[in-house]
Amino acid sequence: EPEVTQTPSHQVTQMGQEVILRCVPISNHLYFYWYRQILGQKVEFLVSFYNNEISEKSEIFDDQFSVERPDGSNFTLKIRSTKLEDSAMYFCASSGWGSNTEAFFGQGTRLTVV
Amino acid sequence: SQQGEEDPQALSIQEGENATMNCSYKTSINNLQWYRQNSGRGLVHLILIRSNEREKHSGRLRVTLDTSKKSSSLLITASRAADTASYFCATDQPQGGSEKLVFGKGTKLTVNP
Repeated sequence: EPEVTQTPSHQVTQMGQEVILRCVPISNHLYFYWYRQILGQKVEFLVSFYNNEISEKSEIFDDQFSVERPDGSNFTLKIRSTKLEDSAMYFCASSGWGSNTEAFFGQGTRLTVV
Repeated sequence: SQQGEEDPQALSIQEGENATMNCSYKTSINNLQWYRQNSGRGLVHLILIRSNEREKHSGRLRVTLDTSKKSSSLLITASRAADTASYFCATDQPQGGSEKLVFGKGTKLTVNP
């Protein structure tokens, strides 16, 4: 069964450092997303990406964040200068065309900023 | 309450019993999805129910949707210890145009052997 894969599964970084989280969405999907979940809290939307551009972003997704689809398979989230409060589980998701298609999530990257 | 709020927050049952979790939301939707998350792990898609559907089944899962009350329920029948996880409902935001999902805080289900 096709699945969304994320790497790395864990990342520890020092405050102020840049991190890149990587995702390979399901191959025939058209919408790509990043969500995050701070420990013990709800899953929050960060950004959606369609047709090689951001289609929507949340207030969390400030100038420190960027997304890229560098080739036909990868989808990355970059945090330019990490803060302690960026520590969270980051999930990539993808979905197909239309308003009633399932969104499938990866296993997540646990980011710890020290 | 916020979009996609589940109740109860926590539920503890014995193996073999049924578990019912509820979700309420505020805005209009195209669909509502339920996900499972084992502790510290990824989100596993369980079921999607469209706004024009009232009930959907998948194995031991039964989902209902009442758009007039803006609520949904997830029923797990004949629960097993392996069903122990957090369960989240998520609603789409048709007015946003990006298909993003808004998640509730989840129900933590514990199934005791």
